[in-house]
Amino acid sequence: AQSVTQPDIHITVSEGASLELRCNYSYGATPYLFWYVQSPGQGLQLLLKYFSGDTLVQGIKGFEAEFKRSQSSFNLRKPSVHWSDAAEYFCAAHNTDKLIFGTGTRLQVFP
Amino acid sequence: EPEVTQTPSHQVTQMGQEVILRCVPISNHLYFYWYRQILGQKVEFLVSFYNNEISEKSEIFDDQFSVERPDGSNFTLKIRSTKLEDSAMYFCASRLALGQETQYFGPGTRLLVL
Repeated sequence: AQSVTQPDIHITVSEGASLELRCNYSYGATPYLFWYVQSPGQGLQLLLKYFSGDTLVQGIKGFEAEFKRSQSSFNLRKPSVHWSDAAEYFCAAHNTDKLIFGTGTRLQVFP
Repeated sequence: EPEVTQTPSHQVTQMGQEVILRCVPISNHLYFYWYRQILGQKVEFLVSFYNNEISEKSEIFDDQFSVERPDGSNFTLKIRSTKLEDSAMYFCASRLALGQETQYFGPGTRLLVL
């Protein structure tokens, strides 16, 4: 079955440190891929998306993600984390007419 | 910037009661969705809707659930007889058109069934 996996349930980083959140997908073909962020009590905000073309995509809030077909991965990165980045991050893949979400990674940021 | 809105933000109901969750998608969008997120779990697809018909539904979306676009702006999810396990955050989403695959989400309605 098609699936999205986020291996890290919880990550803690210090403010100013770099960040990488992992996402792997299992699909027959290259799906459209997304990263969403959910702040506490809030909805899902789109950070960035990959459809085709350049495998390094830029998003909002200084985030970027790299699609690697050979590894079936779409990892999210940020060079310097801010305290306001503390949230839950969801990777998702588009499948027919719906999104398949990973289980999410909760990011904690220490000052 | 246009956004998806949802009402109410929170709803508490008794088991067996009917609830209607409301959504106003982005005005020129044509595809509409409901997802849910049980506390501590991942976001799950419920149903997609296009041209006044259900396009796809998950196994979660059983006969207790229904969706409707009663007018040109609202998109509703009805749960006829709520169960305890229906307690979750329900998200509405919309997207523009074919070839525009990005879905935009509303802030959600937190439903608590007692």
